[in-house]
Order: sequence, then C-alpha cells, then structure tokens
Amino acid sequence: GAVVSQHPSRVICKSGTSVKIECRSLDFQATTMFWYRQFPKQSLMLMATSNEGSKATYEQGVEKDKFLINHASLTLSTLTVTSAHPEDSSFYICSATETLAGGPDEQFFGPGTRLTVL
Amino acid sequence: DAKTTQPNSMESNEEEPVHLPCNHSTISGTDYIHWYRQLPSQGPEYVIHGLTSNVNNRMASLAIAEDRKSSTLILHRATLRDAAVYYCILRRFLNYGGSQGNLIFGKGTKLSVKP
Repeated sequence: GAVVSQHPSRVICKSGTSVKIECRSLDFQATTMFWYRQFPKQSLMLMATSNEGSKATYEQGVEKDKFLINHASLTLSTLTVTSAHPEDSSFYICSATETLAGGPDEQFFGPGTRLTVL
Repeated sequence: DAKTTQPNSMESNEEEPVHLPCNHSTISGTDYIHWYRQLPSQGPEYVIHGLTSNVNNRMASLAIAEDRKSSTLILHRATLRDAAVYYCILRRFLNYGGSQGNLIFGKGTKLSVKP
C-alpha cells in the first residue's frame, strides 16, 4: 500500500513556541490530505482537510490561526501549531488520499507525531 | 455518513480466529464498508474494504451481510501483533468517482490477544 511519512515523530517544546509537522506521501501524489488529533484513550478527531494549492478547510472548533496548514505540493502538507500551550499536547496524525482503480479513494495514514508542550 | 456500532472490546487467544462485528443499519446503497486498525502509538492502518460481496486480502476477510446492515472482519489466526483498536467506517462513493470526504472514526473495538 501507499506510504505516508511524518516528521518529526516526537517533539517536545516550551509553551509559546511554534512547532511544524510535515506530512509526505512517498510513492503517490495526494491531492487531498487530512490532519487528525488524538488525545489519550480517545478516537481520532479530524482537524482539517487540506487540498493542494488551496486553503485548508477546518472543522468546527479548530482555530485556523492557531493550526496553520500548508499544502504546497502534491506530496507535502505541513501543520504548524503556533504559540503552543500544554493543552495542545496530543498525537497528531495526517493522512493522504489515493484514488484506487474502480473504487473509492483510500486514505493512508502517517505514523503520527507526538507533541508535548511543557 | 451513516453510523456504525461496534463492541468496545474483545479478547482472543493467539492463533485462533477472531470475528469482529460491526452494525450499520442505516447504510445506504453507495456506502463502502471500510476497516482500519490502530496499533498503540501509531497511525491507523488500512485493513480492508467492501461494498456487497465478501472480500479477502492478505490481512483479513470481510464478510458482509446480504442486507448490508452488518459486517464482520475476520482475522483467520490472531497474533500478538494484531492487538489493536479496529475501526469500522462507512464511506459514500460518489457517482463521478472518489469518495465523500474524510473518515469519521468512532470508538472502535479494542482487541486484546492472549498468548
């Protein structure tokens, strides 16, 4: 199956700093990428949908000025958590969509990035 | 997207088959049934998907009820590495191709595998 990578896998930062997380589709072009957040013992919650070359669509309750998403190419999307605070500590996961022949698009997920804000 | 209902948790013994049920009584004709799993501290992993017929791949089998209101993910021989949360998700297939939007994750079934 298709491979999606994320970098970094783990980051610890001080409160007030900004953190950038990269999501790459390694062997396919992804016109659409998604960003999810997962708190401990909870399910994945969609934060935003990112389409290459256009502005991201954010889910209700997600601050677009705090979570900046850029999808500059068909293989790269970035999520920047600006002025991070301890409550932003979470597991951030991206996914990318590949269209399979004769069927629905399939989403392939990155390994996730563990963000800890001190 | 239509909702799915799964048991919160299930247990299995290693090397035995596992049947993970999913109810989706409000499924529509263009909804595909997808299964993903998430191992601890990892991103979700695609397992299998189907529309009407049963499906097999190297990871699992998907048995879909004739009325499509329920489905079962079958792991033929559970291993310790299969311990994960399994998510059953419906996605609408659009006539002009592609699927509708993102995946909506429920709570899934946490599968424990005993040696």
